[in-house]
Amino acid sequence: EAGVVQSPRYKIIEKKQPVAFWCNPISGHNTLYWYRQNLGQGPELLIRYENEEAVDDSQLPKDRFSAERLKGVDSTLKIQPAELGDSAVYLCASSPYLGTSLLEQYFGPGTRLTVT
Amino acid sequence: DQQVKQNSPSLSVQEGRISILNCDYTNSMFDYFLWYKKYPAEGPTFLISISSIKDKNEDGRFTVFLNKSAKHLSLHIVPSQPGDSAVYFCAAGIGNQFYFGTGTSLTVIP
Repeated sequence: EAGVVQSPRYKIIEKKQPVAFWCNPISGHNTLYWYRQNLGQGPELLIRYENEEAVDDSQLPKDRFSAERLKGVDSTLKIQPAELGDSAVYLCASSPYLGTSLLEQYFGPGTRLTVT
Repeated sequence: DQQVKQNSPSLSVQEGRISILNCDYTNSMFDYFLWYKKYPAEGPTFLISISSIKDKNEDGRFTVFLNKSAKHLSLHIVPSQPGDSAVYFCAAGIGNQFYFGTGTSLTVIP
């Protein structure tokens, strides 16, 4: 069974530029999560989708971050414009269950963003 | 405000010995706790969990201990193997809220 796929794996951009990350969850998984992991820190939840609905985006900085999951499958996370402090690893995870639970979350390899 | 803390950023252990990774939390209402393992360039993978109604859960070489009065969680790996070298994150949650610790990098020396 294929795992969670994320692309690109690495991205280097200059500040004020836009950037987008893509996530393809495990087939059949209803819930999708985006996390940000700063250097030396644990993952922090940005947004959670149940199917195509964003049910928890309280930690998403909405002035510059946006996300979508149009058909309840793939998802994109966008930052526009990027700031130096956005440098981090952006992790996507999926779960076959609705509702939040750390159990049965499968993480992708992440996208390492460097903003210069 | 860091609700889940791993105060040791790194740990080195000889192969065959016990590895003990520690985690402290501040919210006494957390009702489930987990450990994740992360290899470089990969996402975290679930390792073992424990609910707040238990004080110990064992899975093969891995045992998680929960001390609710001390708000302390630990992961024991016995015996440690070189393949266990990774970053270990503890996590704690209640309902829809959950938090990860900062991670401990374990190196098992052959």
